[in-house]
Amino acid sequence: AAGVIQSPRHLIKEKRETATLKCYPIPRHDTVYWYQQGPGQDPQFLISFYEKMQSDKGSIPDRFSAQQFSDYHSELNMSSLELGDSALYFCASSLVAEQYFGPGTRLTVT
Amino acid sequence: AQKITQTQPGMFVQEKEAVTLDCTYDTSDPSYGLFWYKQPSSGEMIFLIYQGSYDQQNATEGRYSLNFQKARKSANLVISASQLGDSAMYFCAMREGDAGGTSYGKLTFGQGTILTVHP
Repeated sequence: AAGVIQSPRHLIKEKRETATLKCYPIPRHDTVYWYQQGPGQDPQFLISFYEKMQSDKGSIPDRFSAQQFSDYHSELNMSSLELGDSALYFCASSLVAEQYFGPGTRLTVT
Repeated sequence: AQKITQTQPGMFVQEKEAVTLDCTYDTSDPSYGLFWYKQPSSGEMIFLIYQGSYDQQNATEGRYSLNFQKARKSANLVISASQLGDSAMYFCAMREGDAGGTSYGKLTFGQGTILTVHP
């Protein structure tokens, strides 16, 4: 069965640089979520989209923005990167109750 | 206040035995969903099982079952016949407002429990 696809899987950036993470949800899933998981922590919700409209917003820094495109893929844009942004970033998608996660993008900011 | 509490930072179990991972939750919403995910050392989050607050029966998926006790606000995960490959971090999560509308909301996670399966 098709799963959530995220790219890139690993990303190394320097402080103050920008990064773009991409997410391709499971086909026909109408809701996409972004989560951030810091080292040794549980995932924290950032933002979600339902049918290409932002549906909820969590503790997402103003330096981050996201959108969902007409083909339902989503991108998380991160600017002015800080060392504390180093984390595993998950995209998840859902159609009904279950929420399926992608493999994550591991971002390292040096 | 913590909405999801996992009180066991680490658990050990012998291969082929059953193990229960504890999870308690706190919500005033009558409609919610409870999830369990497995996160191996490689980092991916693997969906294991889901229980809706209105579901009459406990959810089961293969060797995984969710012991849902609504009055006690607990949603423990039971893994039967443990395997070495079950060694991982396990997260309990909750989604509030699970009324089956057009859009499902975000998950709130517990702190996780590291399970180690011994041969």
